[in-house]
Amino acid sequence: GQQVMQIPQYQHVQEGEDFTTYCNSSTTLSNIQWYKQRPGGHPVFLIQLVKSGEVKKQKRLTFQFGEAKKNSSLHITATQTTDVGTYFCAGPGSGSGNTGKLIFGQGTTLQVKP
Amino acid sequence: DAGVIQSPRHEVTEMGQEVTLRCKPISGHNSLFWYRQTMMRGLELLIYFNNNVPIDDSGMPEDRFSAKMPNASFSTLKIQPSEPRDSAVYFCASSPRRGWMAQYFGPGTRLLVL
Repeated sequence: GQQVMQIPQYQHVQEGEDFTTYCNSSTTLSNIQWYKQRPGGHPVFLIQLVKSGEVKKQKRLTFQFGEAKKNSSLHITATQTTDVGTYFCAGPGSGSGNTGKLIFGQGTTLQVKP
Repeated sequence: DAGVIQSPRHEVTEMGQEVTLRCKPISGHNSLFWYRQTMMRGLELLIYFNNNVPIDDSGMPEDRFSAKMPNASFSTLKIQPSEPRDSAVYFCASSPRRGWMAQYFGPGTRLLVL
């Protein structure tokens, strides 16, 4: 079945270092979404990418959608302790039509050492 | 505006008991999703509704699980009888309309079945 995979599973960085997580889909995606879940919290929507090769920035966060629309990345510049959490990518489920069903990756958990 | 509301926030029960989880989506949202999150399996979609109608329940683990959405402002997820392997965090999320829009998650219900 359709899969959305993320690497790495865990990442420990020193505060101020950069961080990148990668998302790969087994199928072409019409769009991809990114969510952040703080420890003990719930997933919170960050952004949606739709166009091939699209790049969007939110302050220190840069999101990219691959040219083939099968992969995506999230890059954080100069991490801070507030960036701690698990970052999920999610894509539309195949055969879901226009129903909004999402398939979530397993997430990348970021730890930041102060 | 209030976000997605879930109750209870925590539930501890004994194996064999019935468990009912409740969700109030964001007013005006037409799509509602139930997820289960565990360390082993990550974030899994159980069932989702569009305009109160169940669209896809293929993620429901087995017949012990059932979900209803009697109106646009209320949904329940019921487990009967509960088993220890059902212990997880259950999230409800809503989305403004059909289509690949952002999903807004509730705070979750942390269920422990002894």
